[in-house]
Amino acid sequence: KQEVTQIPAALSVPEGENLVLNCSFTDSAIYNLQWFRQDPGKGLTSLLLIQSSQREQTSGRLNASLDKSSGRSTLYIAASQPGDSATYLCAVRLGDMRFGAGTRLTVKP
Amino acid sequence: GAVVSQHPSWVICKSGTSVKIECRSLDFQATTMFWYRQFPKQSLMLMATSNEGSKATYEQGVEKDKFLINHASLTLSTLTVTSAHPEDSSFYICSAPDSSYEQYFGPGTRLTVT
Repeated sequence: KQEVTQIPAALSVPEGENLVLNCSFTDSAIYNLQWFRQDPGKGLTSLLLIQSSQREQTSGRLNASLDKSSGRSTLYIAASQPGDSATYLCAVRLGDMRFGAGTRLTVKP
Repeated sequence: GAVVSQHPSWVICKSGTSVKIECRSLDFQATTMFWYRQFPKQSLMLMATSNEGSKATYEQGVEKDKFLINHASLTLSTLTVTSAHPEDSSFYICSAPDSSYEQYFGPGTRLTVT
């Protein structure tokens, strides 16, 4: 059974810092991996989708990498802003999607 | 991008009653939709996979007789929580993949059972 782990569980940084969120998964036979953002009490916003054949995707200040063979993905956030404060979830898809527990990010002004 | 809607966005019901939650893909067809549940400060947990024209597939530990899923068309799946109890209070989110298998999520439905 696919298990997804996210480290750290919580992270607090001052505004302007670059940061990395980690995601690992136990079964490398995935179709794709997605990073999401979730604000308190809200649904999910898709940030980046990486297909299994890709190694990274970029959108603005966000960069996500995928190393399928080692079962790892990272989400890099450059020049963090207070508005980036949210919970970040990674999810891997084979048939259905399996989510990590999330990293709760706080960016302090 | 594709849009998935959910209705209602929040609902309060009394213990013992049933409540239906709708999930619609607005501009694409989805033969499969997924239902998730999220308890406070926890991650999403997959409840079931909804398949158009056939029975839903439930995750271990999810009671299929309590959480009824109907995938009536290629754009609509419904989740009915029957005989609701306070412990069913949660945030329910659906998702649907588009033709490139990117998942799109509904905004969620907050259910409170009193």
